[in-house]
Formats: sequence, structure tokens, C-alpha cells
Amino acid sequence: KAGVTQTPRYLIKTRGQQVTLSCSPISGHRSVSWYQQTPGQGLQFLFEYFSETQRNKGNFPGRFSGRQFSNSRSEMNVSTLELGDSALYLCACRAGYGAGELFFGEGSRLTVL
Amino acid sequence: GENVEQHPSTLSVQEGDSAVIKCTYSDSASNYFPWYKQELGKRPQLIIDIRSNVGEKKDQRIAVTLNKTAKHFSLHITETQPEDSAVYFCAAETSGGGADGLTFGKGTHLIIQP
Repeated sequence: KAGVTQTPRYLIKTRGQQVTLSCSPISGHRSVSWYQQTPGQGLQFLFEYFSETQRNKGNFPGRFSGRQFSNSRSEMNVSTLELGDSALYLCACRAGYGAGELFFGEGSRLTVL
Repeated sequence: GENVEQHPSTLSVQEGDSAVIKCTYSDSASNYFPWYKQELGKRPQLIIDIRSNVGEKKDQRIAVTLNKTAKHFSLHITETQPEDSAVYFCAAETSGGGADGLTFGKGTHLIIQP
């Protein structure tokens, strides 16, 4: 079966711009989580969506937002980009909500100049 | 919220030796503890997980132990091989969904010396 697909894979933005990242989960997987990965901080939880509802949110500013569509596809948006937002953004899905194996996408590498 | 501490940040062992990575968690409500392996340039993948009603779980050369009283859990890799070189992440979560989702440690870079 197809894996988790993230687009775009690489992007470069400048400070102040906004960006939207997309994630298509494995078919039938209704939970989608987003993580920010940086060399010093590891995997930091952004938010988790299940059945189009945000169930959990990590400790990130309001510039980071997301949504989930009825087909379980998810997007995350970062507004007013800062240099510190440069990171690998990983999307992960699982069949249900709360516990269980996460299946990660390959990530979207964001560089903010 | 949940906080997961992971040690060491880097671990270098000789091929064939054992490696141990340790994690502690803060939220006593956490009851699901997975370990993920991320090879260079690749996505994290689950290698083993344990739930709080079990003290130990083994899968071939890897094992995980959990001490709920002390709130710590460990990954043990025996007879290490070159393909074990990677970054390993521990994580903790409340089954059924906690406010913090799945919280990861900062990772351990395991280096297998030939």
C-alpha cells in the first residue's frame, strides 16, 4: 500500500512569508500528526488531527496551524516565517487516535532565509 | 505536560558489543512507550514498543525494559552490527490520547565501530 506522502519535499522562503505543507496519510489512517525536527531539539510535537478535529497541540506559537480534510489529508501552515523555523517537518499517521505505531513521511525540508 | 529525557546523546560501541539507551518520563499517566530508529537521511521507523502492563519485551537482538515506579525505560541492543548505526528516539504517550500527543526524547546517535 502507498506510504505517507508529503509535499513539497524542499522549499526555500524568506522571513515574513508564509508556507503551507501537505500530507497524505496511508489509506484508512485517520490520525495525522506533525513534528518539527531540528538537530538540537529532536522531534518536537506540533499537533495531531483525528476525524478533522485537532486533538492535541504542542508548545508552538499560534503562527503554526493545521487542518485535516474529510479524506484525512492534512495541511500545516506557518505564517510570518522566522529564521528559527528552518527545519524538517515530518508528518506521521496511524490508524486510530492515541497510541499505536506512527508511520512517518519523508518530510518537508524548509529553509528560511 | 509530558517531558522525556534521553541519555546518552551519543553512544559509540564496538561491533558485537551491547548498547543501552535510557529514558525517563515525567507524566505518571503515560502508558505507551515506543522506540524509533532513524537512519541518516531517512524517516523514523518503529523498532519496538512496550505498554505499561508489561515490564520487558524482546524482539531478536533488541529489548525494552520499563520501570513504572521510577518512570524510566531502556532500550537494549545486543550483538551490535554496522546496520544498527542510527539515531534512536524514545517516546511516551497516554494511550487514548493525552494532551501532549506522543512526546519524544532528543535522540541518541549510536555509532557502531568496526
